[in-house]
Amino acid sequence: KNEVEQSPQNLTAQEGEFITINCSYSVGISALHWLQQHPGGGIVSLFMLSSGKKKHGRLIATINIQEKHSSLHITASHPRDSAVYICAVRTGNEKLTFGTGTRLTIIP
Amino acid sequence: NAGVTQTPKFRILKIGQSMTLQCTQDMNHNYMYWYRQDPGMGLKLIYYSVGAGITDKGEVPNGYNVSRSTTEDFPLRLELAAPSQTSVYFCASSWTEAFFGQGTRLTVV
Repeated sequence: KNEVEQSPQNLTAQEGEFITINCSYSVGISALHWLQQHPGGGIVSLFMLSSGKKKHGRLIATINIQEKHSSLHITASHPRDSAVYICAVRTGNEKLTFGTGTRLTIIP
Repeated sequence: NAGVTQTPKFRILKIGQSMTLQCTQDMNHNYMYWYRQDPGMGLKLIYYSVGAGITDKGEVPNGYNVSRSTTEDFPLRLELAAPSQTSVYFCASSWTEAFFGQGTRLTVV
């Protein structure tokens, strides 16, 4: 079993829909990252969370440390949000371990 | 502030050849990482470093070596390249946020 599991693996939605991507992990962590990988391959950091909730524009990330679970939400989704969204956890030895990603496609 | 600079962007190697992927960051981050990403798959950790002079193996270290003589540089060495090492390689550095290089697309033929 992977230390970091994401769901769904693939998600297709209509423009304007509210999107939720989930991340569950099985190890103790010091922080959790949400990243975005565009079709060209570049990876950018969206959020780093150790507790609670963060918001940036239409993106919201939450984490529940007790339940070992995090969610990434996108409000008013747009075709330019189409990308692979990746959850990564930082463990005590500073390793960053990645989930396999969620491929999001937003249809106009 | 260039962030994480990774070179080369593309490379074709013949089986048995060696090469070094370069990674440099200018953010004074202690933590640096090398990952590989096979087509349609997630990122797998090859090696990581928590500071100059300190390196440790990740999930898939076989066939690779690293060194961290300075905070800025974290090169990845491939010895005796094999077709199984055909992949896209990403270098990353982190303190709070994580920053990634643009990736190296390596093909071993």
